[in-house]
Amino acid sequence: AQSVTQLGSHVSVSEGALVLLRCNYSSSVPPYLFWYVQYPNQGLQLLLKYTSAATLVKGINGFEAEFKKSETSFHLTKPSAHMSDAAEYFCAVRTGGSQGNLIFGKGTKLSVKP
Amino acid sequence: DTEVTQTPKHLVMGMTNKKSLKCEQHMGHRAMYWYKQKAKKPPELMFVYSYEKLSINESVPSRFSPECPNSSLLNLHLHALQPEDSALYLCASSQDRRVTSGNTIYFGEGSWLTVV
Repeated sequence: AQSVTQLGSHVSVSEGALVLLRCNYSSSVPPYLFWYVQYPNQGLQLLLKYTSAATLVKGINGFEAEFKKSETSFHLTKPSAHMSDAAEYFCAVRTGGSQGNLIFGKGTKLSVKP
Repeated sequence: DTEVTQTPKHLVMGMTNKKSLKCEQHMGHRAMYWYKQKAKKPPELMFVYSYEKLSINESVPSRFSPECPNSSLLNLHLHALQPEDSALYLCASSQDRRVTSGNTIYFGEGSWLTVV
């Protein structure tokens, strides 16, 4: 069965500092992996997705993620945090084995201190 | 332009009321989804429609009744809800249900439901 584990339910960084949000997946077949962001009181917005074309994926708002098969990881990074990055971030996996449905991690809340 | 539109944004209803949540997309997508999200939790899948036919019902109580009038519209009819049904209800769509590199699930802004 496919699953996603996000390490750290809450991450706090200072403005301008590196953002690192961790995601590990479990899948018996090559997965499609996604990062979604949810700003307070809003829906989910796609940040980026891994579809096997390239292991380093660039997304919106300066975020990127690297797919590492050997580590079964898909960590999200941003070189310099901005106050507007404060939000909930969800990692998700989608494979045919789950009938094409998204399997979400529990989410990581990112706080950015001035 | 990827856009899924949901109305209303906020809904307060009594336990004996009947109300509906509406969702619309004009991206030509043929798969549409309803998710339920409680506070501080990830979204949970409720229903999936594929080519206007219900293909997945994740054991959702019958007080939630989905409807797909056409390929662009998805409704969620609500009747005799309980206070624990209060949550954010998210609609989403994708090209279809196939899992391919270009087939992303896009979400709307959600409808906040409060049952009193």
